[in-house]
Amino acid sequence: QVLLQESGPGLVKPSETLSLTCTVSGASIRSYYWSWIRQPPGKGLEWIGYMYYSGSTNYNPSLKSRVTTSVDTSQNQFSLKLSSVTAADTAVYYCARPIYGDHGGAKYYYFDIWGRGTLVTVSS
Amino acid sequence: QSVLTQSPSASGTPGQRVTISCSGSSSNIGINTVDWYQQLPGTAPKLLIYTNNQRPSGVPDRFSGSKSGTSASLAISGLQSEDEADYYCAAWDGSLNGIYVFGTGTKVTVL
Repeated sequence: QVLLQESGPGLVKPSETLSLTCTVSGASIRSYYWSWIRQPPGKGLEWIGYMYYSGSTNYNPSLKSRVTTSVDTSQNQFSLKLSSVTAADTAVYYCARPIYGDHGGAKYYYFDIWGRGTLVTVSS
Repeated sequence: QSVLTQSPSASGTPGQRVTISCSGSSSNIGINTVDWYQQLPGTAPKLLIYTNNQRPSGVPDRFSGSKSGTSASLAISGLQSEDEADYYCAAWDGSLNGIYVFGTGTKVTVL
């Protein structure tokens, strides 16, 4: 059974950097791509991006200039850093495992496993 | 930033059939597969339907998905009280370097 668990500060000050870690159990972090998704309170879901242990990444253009991700294979963890945060970055942040591929020219990409999520509030 | 449009709400009585629609474009639903997620209150989203019409193990066959052109639908037959949740469609969008886009979400209420 694959489990994901987010961890990190629940409160970040404006203009500072939000840092979260996702710990993977039940699977090797080298075997899959990994993603972050966020959800502002009372609002919808927003894809942040994906990463691979080799360094391959793809980020949402709306966040790309502020996002950095990394993978720690020794700890089976991956991380998210979001810089220069504002109140608009207040959200529940989820880590998830994407399954992707191409079937007859149609790309498929979906999240089969999600973490429970962690609320990050940006406030002074 | 949602580029997939869903009606904000849907409702039905127990046992009824409810359908949720998701409208996209030629860069997402028109060329790629569609997924659906169910989010119960206070919990993480859960994969409900993937690649248009496939159910993960454990998802009841009351849930079914379909796609036509640049739109997709999720049907819930035999509506049950535990189906009261938010439902999101999603698809890979091929614009720029590619981005996974979610729908605006539909709140299903069981009357």
